[in-house]
Amino acid sequence: EADIYQTPRYLVIGTGKKITLECSQTMGHDKMYWYQQDPGMELHLIHYSYGVNSTEKGDLSSESTVSRIRTEHFPLTLESARPSHTSQYLCASRRGSGTTNTEAFFGQGTRLTVV
Amino acid sequence: AQKITQTQPGMFVQEKEAVTLDCTYDTSDPSYGLFWYKQPSSGEMIFLIYQGSYDQQNATEGRYSLNFQKARKSANLVISASQLGDSAMYFCAMRDSLNSGYALNFGKGTSLLVTP
Repeated sequence: EADIYQTPRYLVIGTGKKITLECSQTMGHDKMYWYQQDPGMELHLIHYSYGVNSTEKGDLSSESTVSRIRTEHFPLTLESARPSHTSQYLCASRRGSGTTNTEAFFGQGTRLTVV
Repeated sequence: AQKITQTQPGMFVQEKEAVTLDCTYDTSDPSYGLFWYKQPSSGEMIFLIYQGSYDQQNATEGRYSLNFQKARKSANLVISASQLGDSAMYFCAMRDSLNSGYALNFGKGTSLLVTP
């Protein structure tokens, strides 16, 4: 069973509010990722990290930011939420070097609704 | 750039029957890995099975097997003896070897409905 946790599970928030989506893993994985997914659609990579103090933007442009101060923690922040940010956000982690074909473990996701 | 294609938006299968979910891919990387994930309506992503490009045999995990045809660049998921609990979205994915932190790139998914 994967040891990667996301909170909150569901969030309804007003436009303009600042929010932070939490993601923590206890597996000691270096690589962590954030994906954005609209209902019934594909996953789009929005952020990734190779390890502590490493953060990069993914393929899909996002107004969110991330930080990686500790190996186990990879929070995502939206400074000013808008209705266009309404989506599911999935956090994932992987072990091993870049050439190792290991599976990614996912958290349960955060379903964000901005009203 | 790597690309994953799943051409079946939705599939139906009767309980206890087998079903094949299609996945084709495109990559110039000689070493790659293919993954299948299941996503129930609750939203979490559940890893099902993995196939490496150099693996000689098709991967199997319980009722899941992967029909890997390297020359055709296809990696179809076969679910045998379908159960009602198999109803979910299924995503094929490939590790991105070029950038993006070796993240997994996902196809658009196939929605599977298992009927009694």
